Amino acid sequence: DSGVTQTPKHLITATGQRVTLRCSPRSGDLSVYWYQQSLDQGLQFLIQYYNGEERAKGNILERFSAQQFPDLHSELNLSSLELGDSALYFCASSVFGSGIPPSTDTQYFGPGTRLTVL
Amino acid sequence: AQSVTQLGSHVSVSEGALVLLRCNYSSSVPPYLFWYVQYPNQGLQLLLKYTTGATLVKGINGFEAEFKKSETSFHLTKPSAHMSDAAEYFCAVSDSGGYQKVTFGTGTKLQVIP
Repeated sequence: DSGVTQTPKHLITATGQRVTLRCSPRSGDLSVYWYQQSLDQGLQFLIQYYNGEERAKGNILERFSAQQFPDLHSELNLSSLELGDSALYFCASSVFGSGIPPSTDTQYFGPGTRLTVL
Repeated sequence: AQSVTQLGSHVSVSEGALVLLRCNYSSSVPPYLFWYVQYPNQGLQLLLKYTTGATLVKGINGFEAEFKKSETSFHLTKPSAHMSDAAEYFCAVSDSGGYQKVTFGTGTKLQVIP
């Protein structure tokens, strides 16, 4: 158990709909990262938040948005869903937020949310 | 732009044999390199990372990787494969040093034969 929780585990929805994925980081971790894993695109970094602020953006579509709340949990909002958005969405957390992490720092991943768009 | 190439989408080794998973990177700046593992139906786990300092990096579960700038490589090795090592392994590169904005390779599935 990594200590990172994600809900829901599975989500099935229709094209055009909007969903929210939730992530709770490990206790003490200030940074949350979101990733997408799909058959077509492989693993992709989407976005990172650190202590409530956006720190880095990757290949995140404009239809997608995220935020990190004062209690440090994060939500990834996916709207106007398309078939190609079907994927496994992971979040991860770490203590460190930017620059080069010390050797003692590591990332911890949640089990993922599997999104199926029909 | 940064990228990684993982040679071999599938690798099979016998239990007890050497594990060698290959990764070559391309980066316009000094790279920061990572190996992640994904066990069947599970999330990712960070195995090890190279940021600065010693070029031979030791990770969890007996794995290690060596950063070779002259060869633009960061191959992952383990002296003796265990059945529990069967998983998919991803090499990744970042030009920022941190975990953010990493670019992942396409992954190598490791099969361990008893």
